[in-house]
Amino acid sequence: DVKVTQSSRYLVKRTGEKVFLECVQDMDHENMFWYRQDPGLGLRLIYFSYDVKMKEKGDIPEGYSVSREKKERFSLILESASTNQTSMYLCASTPWGGQSSPLHFGNGTRLTVT
Amino acid sequence: GNSVTQMEGPVTLSEEAFLTINCTYTATGCPSLFWYVQYPGEGLQLLLKATKADDKGSNKGFEATYRKETTSFHLEKGSVQVSDSAVYFCAPHTSGAGSYQLTFGKGTKLSVIP
Repeated sequence: DVKVTQSSRYLVKRTGEKVFLECVQDMDHENMFWYRQDPGLGLRLIYFSYDVKMKEKGDIPEGYSVSREKKERFSLILESASTNQTSMYLCASTPWGGQSSPLHFGNGTRLTVT
Repeated sequence: GNSVTQMEGPVTLSEEAFLTINCTYTATGCPSLFWYVQYPGEGLQLLLKATKADDKGSNKGFEATYRKETTSFHLEKGSVQVSDSAVYFCAPHTSGAGSYQLTFGKGTKLSVIP
């Protein structure tokens, strides 16, 4: 089974801090994604990456950046955390198999910015 | 881009009741269609999928049929259990020219009471 591991289940950070959320997958998937999940808004795509060092903006990239130096690892960076970035963050991966391949999700990181 | 209209929740049912969660979508081309489920405290996981018109996806007693003519992918289960309490997401996925459209509905929260 594919395993997508997010390094932290819960994080509490202060406004203005630089925050790193880490995600690792163990199935050699080409594509990796970062979503945030908020009540009433569903899942919104922040960034995705289809290869090492490649990245594409999703629907809500403002205030975030990403890094993919190795195939298995995809990091989400909050350059200067703000309270409106308090949310559940979900990482996902999928192989380069076209649209019939489902996403495999981690268990999420619940970030609180105070 | 793609869009999804998913039945608003929350939905509360008694054990052994019949479940329908409606989902309609708009998408360019012929998307693959997915239902994901999120149990409390976890990330999303694939429940079932269908990749072409008239296909039926099924898993754990849940079923959904890809209806191209009505652009729908309604989720059904004949007899729900307490363990089915979760949030359900409808998701059309399309890809082409190196890009992905991975759209999620806002989720329908199901609570099953004994």
